[in-house]
Amino acid sequence: AQKITQTQPGMFVQEKEAVTLDCTYDTSDPSYGLFWYKQPSSGEMIFLIYQGSYDQQNATEGRYSLNFQKARKSANLVISASQLGDSAMYFCAMRGYNAGGTSYGKLTFGQGTILTVHP
Amino acid sequence: NAGVTQTPKFQVLKTGQSMTLQCAQDMNHNSMYWYRQDPGMGLRLIYYSASEGTTDKGEVPNGYNVSRLNKREFSLRLESAAPSQTSVYFCASTPTSAYSNQPQHFGDGTRLSIL
Repeated sequence: AQKITQTQPGMFVQEKEAVTLDCTYDTSDPSYGLFWYKQPSSGEMIFLIYQGSYDQQNATEGRYSLNFQKARKSANLVISASQLGDSAMYFCAMRGYNAGGTSYGKLTFGQGTILTVHP
Repeated sequence: NAGVTQTPKFQVLKTGQSMTLQCAQDMNHNSMYWYRQDPGMGLRLIYYSASEGTTDKGEVPNGYNVSRLNKREFSLRLESAAPSQTSVYFCASTPTSAYSNQPQHFGDGTRLSIL
């Protein structure tokens, strides 16, 4: 079984500052992928960044970076230079793979963190 | 650039009524998924179809059925709606269910209220 935990129901950040959204995970799968999605108030799910469990470097995508600490089972999202448009719900999700490389692509999601950016 | 299209966007039903949520993707993806989103609980998997011709239960399948009509379309049916099924429903697709860094692509969701 897989579990994703996001312990911050809500976070506040000042515009132009950096913010870290926490995500811890638990899995017995030998390999896995971690995803972050953004859900603005309009409701759509927007993919932000991916980290594979065997990736040697932390993933980065523009202002988004993933602080991946495998031993601690954490995959925190860092947003640099926050913008007002970053205000949204953020979800951490995991896709696990068994020894045969099968997952059926299923994602397990955390509860989400609501980020509010103040001007 | 349609991606994943869900219909309808909003629906109100009475308890006991039935309905089908439609989902279609135009990205030639093999795998498709149905999730529900409830406050404070993130998204939970209802059913999925790893490839055309196959379907399987997810975490919360009770009260639902699915049909993978063809490679493009994956529908979710509520046979006898209950107030506990009031939720936002998302359909998603991904190129393959094998090991991949490809994310799932989501539709815009269907807001369903059961009275």
